[in-house]
Amino acid sequence: KQEVTQIPAALSVPEGENLVLNCSFTDSAIYNLQWFRQDPGKGLTSLLLIQSSQREQTSGRLNASLDKSSGRSTLYIAASQPGDSATYLCAVSGGADGLTFGKGTHLIIQP
Amino acid sequence: ETGVTQTPRHLVMGMTNKKSLKCEQHLGHNAMYWYKQSAKKPLELMFVYNFKEQTENNSVPSRFSPECPNSSHLFLHLHTLQPEDSALYLCASSPFLAGDSYNEQFFGPGTRLTVL
Repeated sequence: KQEVTQIPAALSVPEGENLVLNCSFTDSAIYNLQWFRQDPGKGLTSLLLIQSSQREQTSGRLNASLDKSSGRSTLYIAASQPGDSATYLCAVSGGADGLTFGKGTHLIIQP
Repeated sequence: ETGVTQTPRHLVMGMTNKKSLKCEQHLGHNAMYWYKQSAKKPLELMFVYNFKEQTENNSVPSRFSPECPNSSHLFLHLHTLQPEDSALYLCASSPFLAGDSYNEQFFGPGTRLTVL
């Protein structure tokens, strides 16, 4: 059974810092990996999707990498802003099914 | 409306009530999903529908009954729920092209369910 772990569980940093969120998964037979953002009491916003054949994806100040063989992904956020404060979720897909999620990293960016 | 919508946004029900959650996607996708998000637990997959056919039931109790009348609409019928079923219920959709690893899921805002 696939398990997804996210480290750290919570992170608080001053505005302007670059930061890295980590995600690991136990079964490397994945189709893709998605990073999401969730604001309190809200649904999920898709940030980036990395297909199993890809190594990284970039969107604005966000960069996600994937090392499928070692079962790891990182989300790099450059020049953090208070508006980046949210919970970041990592999820993997095994194919024709739903996603398996980690518990998330609760991020606070201090003004 | 665009994206994935869910109604109602909030629902309070007693253990003997019967209610339904509704999800609608305006993205032309073929797959729809129900997820449950409980406090301090990871999001859990409940059901998957591809082209209106249920392809996964993730060991969900029978008091939760899904219905997918077409590829744009998904319902979750609820009856005789327990207080521990209180959670945020999220609907998602994706293109689901068989064998395509670019099967990005898009989520609705969720229904916050409280069972008294």
